Amino acid sequence: EVQLLESGGGLVQPGGSLRLSCAASGFTFSTFAMYWVRQAPGKGLEWVSAISGRDGGTYYADSVKGRFTISRDNSKNTLYLQMNGLRAEDTAIYYCAKGNPQFYFEYWGQGTLVTVSS
Amino acid sequence: EIVLTQSPATLSLSPGERATLSCGASQSVNNYLAWYQHKPGQAPRLLIYDASNRATGIPARFSGSGSGTDFTLTISSLEPEDFAVYYCQQRGNWPRTFGQGTKLEIK
Repeated sequence: EVQLLESGGGLVQPGGSLRLSCAASGFTFSTFAMYWVRQAPGKGLEWVSAISGRDGGTYYADSVKGRFTISRDNSKNTLYLQMNGLRAEDTAIYYCAKGNPQFYFEYWGQGTLVTVSS
Repeated sequence: EIVLTQSPATLSLSPGERATLSCGASQSVNNYLAWYQHKPGQAPRLLIYDASNRATGIPARFSGSGSGTDFTLTISSLEPEDFAVYYCQQRGNWPRTFGQGTKLEIK
């Protein structure tokens, strides 16, 4: 059974940093692309970042480019999102998602809440 | 960036009725489009990928169609558990984008 468990969310001041983690199990982690998707309060889903399975190629939404860094540790089956320079508009539930072979978001975690406020 | 526009914003129907949700893309995404169901407090669920392929475990009452810029999600006969928000999403280009969502509510 595929399981994705996010952690690391919390309250942070504007300009601060957080690192989110997503522990994966139930599949061969290194084989699949992984993603971060967020949902701001009362808003829809927004894709944030992606990382490919083996070569580690990375992609970012313009809204986070230069501030967020996605990475993965295939030996630990864990996905990360380092978030620097946080802004109020980054307040959201952050979901990690496993890609399917067609690169869609096949399985999702339950999410971790990030609140950026002074 | 490819903009996806979903209509209607809200759809009010009764159990047993047929639901038709639309998604329009600002430029062609070929057939690289998915549909997701999202209920409050739950993780989103992949329903349809590559416009018309049902994801694992998705009931046959869900179907998708379309290509290029116009796509449709059809729920043939609504069950009580189908009332949720539905999003389309494209993987034809970076950045990946979602539509703004259609809320399917009980009439």
